[in-house]
Amino acid sequence: AQKITQTQPGMFVQEKEAVTLDCTYDTSDQSYGLFWYKQPSSGEMIFLIYQGSYDEQNATEGRYSLNFQKARKSANLVISASQLGDSAMYFCAMREAYANAGKSTFGDGTTLTVKP
Amino acid sequence: KAGVTQTPRYLIKTRGQQVTLSCSPISGHRSVSWYQQTPGQGLQFLFEYFSETQRNKGNFPGRFSGRQFSNSRSEMNVSTLELGDSALYLCASSLGAGEDTGELFFGEGSRLTVL
Repeated sequence: AQKITQTQPGMFVQEKEAVTLDCTYDTSDQSYGLFWYKQPSSGEMIFLIYQGSYDEQNATEGRYSLNFQKARKSANLVISASQLGDSAMYFCAMREAYANAGKSTFGDGTTLTVKP
Repeated sequence: KAGVTQTPRYLIKTRGQQVTLSCSPISGHRSVSWYQQTPGQGLQFLFEYFSETQRNKGNFPGRFSGRQFSNSRSEMNVSTLELGDSALYLCASSLGAGEDTGELFFGEGSRLTVL
């Protein structure tokens, strides 16, 4: 069974600084996808970034980058130049195998607070 | 294009009642998944529908059921409500096939309170 572990329940970062949110995963599949989602207080989950297990380069999307270390089974999210609007809960998630495309396993989340 | 639409956004029910939640996916998306989010259990997968068929199912009792219509819209039903069913129910859509990486597009959720 797949498992996602986020060990940081809460994180604080100063505005304009970078922050790394940790995520480790466990799976026996060779093919899988890793995702990060943001959930503001309004409740809607917003997709941030995706990394495929066969992708050799780390994914980047604007200020978001995913530090993918396959051997260590980690997929940390790096947010550069934090903004006040980045304050939210962040979830790491994994999808195993194409046939389960709609089924993702989520971690418990990390609450990020950006301080002015 | 329009996002994922969930209705109702908020509802209050009493124990023993049943509830039906609706989800309209993004146009062209054939997969609809449902998740339950609670402070204690986090985000838990309920089930996924693809082309009107249940493709995956999580570990929830039979009181939780769903269906998908030919236009990909989906409904989930919870019968004989219990206090523990109070949660935010999130619907997510995805392509479900082809170039789909599994990225989920979520609705704003339906917040259910059971009294």
